[in-house]
Amino acid sequence: DSGVTQTPKHLITATGQRVTLRCSPRSGDLSVYWYQQSLDQGLQFLIQYYNGEERAKGNILERFSAQQFPDLHSELNLSSLELGDSALYFCASSSGTNTGELFFGEGSRLTVL
Amino acid sequence: GQQVMQIPQYQHVQEGEDFTTYCNSSTTLSNIQWYKQRPGGHPVFLIQLVKSGEVKKQKRLTFQFGEAKKNSSLHITATQTTDVGTYFCAGPEKDSNYQLIWGAGTKLIIKP
Repeated sequence: DSGVTQTPKHLITATGQRVTLRCSPRSGDLSVYWYQQSLDQGLQFLIQYYNGEERAKGNILERFSAQQFPDLHSELNLSSLELGDSALYFCASSSGTNTGELFFGEGSRLTVL
Repeated sequence: GQQVMQIPQYQHVQEGEDFTTYCNSSTTLSNIQWYKQRPGGHPVFLIQLVKSGEVKKQKRLTFQFGEAKKNSSLHITATQTTDVGTYFCAGPEKDSNYQLIWGAGTKLIIKP
């Protein structure tokens, strides 16, 4: 158990819809990272937050947005969903701003039909 | 842009054979991390290497960081079924140091 909690574990929705994925980092961790992993593919970095502020942005589509709240949990919002957005979305947390060990949640599997 | 290349993409081995995956970065890395992702699971941190030429062992796993800090390898001796999964390397982005640049992963498959 990494201590990182992601909900929901599975989500099935239709094209054009909007979903929100939630992540609670490990206790004490200030950084939250979001990654996308398509079937049998590598990890695509989306975005990082540190203590409520956006710190780094990867290949995140304009249809996607994220935020980190004062209690440090984070949400990833995916809108105008397309079939290609079907993937496993991982949240990870770490204690600092720089790239130390990441602790990953179990992921949210999104299926867009 | 900065890239981390990882090879091979797949490796099929008989149980008991050795396994090696290699990472090569386009730039010098301040450190390199290795993660393992079991089938259906999430990435789990294995180790971080920081020093030039560093070698670290974890039981049957040996990790190396190259002298130039641009390449790294993970070697597993006498693979077991519990080793099955995808192994990823990752190094910090040179300019920001806020995000990791990930290799594509090497999938270890044990032949039946």
